[in-house]
Amino acid sequence: QQQVRQSPQSLTVWEGETAILNCSYEDSTFDYFPWYHQFPGESPALLIAIRPVSNKKEDGRFTIFFNKREKKFSLHIADSQPGDSATYFCAASNYNVLYFGSGTKLTVEP
Amino acid sequence: AQTIHQWPVAEIKAVGSPLSLGCTIKGKSSPNLYWYWQATGGTLQQLFYSITVGQVESVVQLNLSASRPKDDQFILSTEKLLLSHSGFYLCAWRDNNNQAPLFGEGTRLSVL
Repeated sequence: QQQVRQSPQSLTVWEGETAILNCSYEDSTFDYFPWYHQFPGESPALLIAIRPVSNKKEDGRFTIFFNKREKKFSLHIADSQPGDSATYFCAASNYNVLYFGSGTKLTVEP
Repeated sequence: AQTIHQWPVAEIKAVGSPLSLGCTIKGKSSPNLYWYWQATGGTLQQLFYSITVGQVESVVQLNLSASRPKDDQFILSTEKLLLSHSGFYLCAWRDNNNQAPLFGEGTRLSVL
């Protein structure tokens, strides 16, 4: 059973647009929801994370929107830049086990 | 500052041969340590975690084992490699103030 579902599989936006990546989860015991990005040939790097006590978390151009009732969360990347092109993974954790989504390959066209 | 180092950077191994991958973290006492595996072009799957020396919990069974012989060291191994073991192996650590694991640079494994 897939614990975390992620969509779309790939996304192309123009420079300056807002990219929206979506995830959903099943297990209501998950209590931490990070997003990572991964550039080709590199390891994943933590971008931003949220706990279910909040419904929004901002860090610069990156914002997580969290809907606990619907078990959904999304990453919004405002003013997308070509340097944002990477694969983005959402994840959900119940402390010592982290379940990843399948990833979204984001391409930002100049 | 904490640093995490994985070795080797890359390995090419034959099917049926043994494997040992290592991970060391410096600058942090008693970290929680994790092993993840990523197939080429795929998502990440957690393999093991360890909260303390000598204690390792398995998350998925992939004919691999892990050990934590020292507070700052986490080892991933198998006695007999399969083709399906190919991929990117990532060690990660977490402290109690940040629940998101932070990854090392990884080891790329090709099993031929």
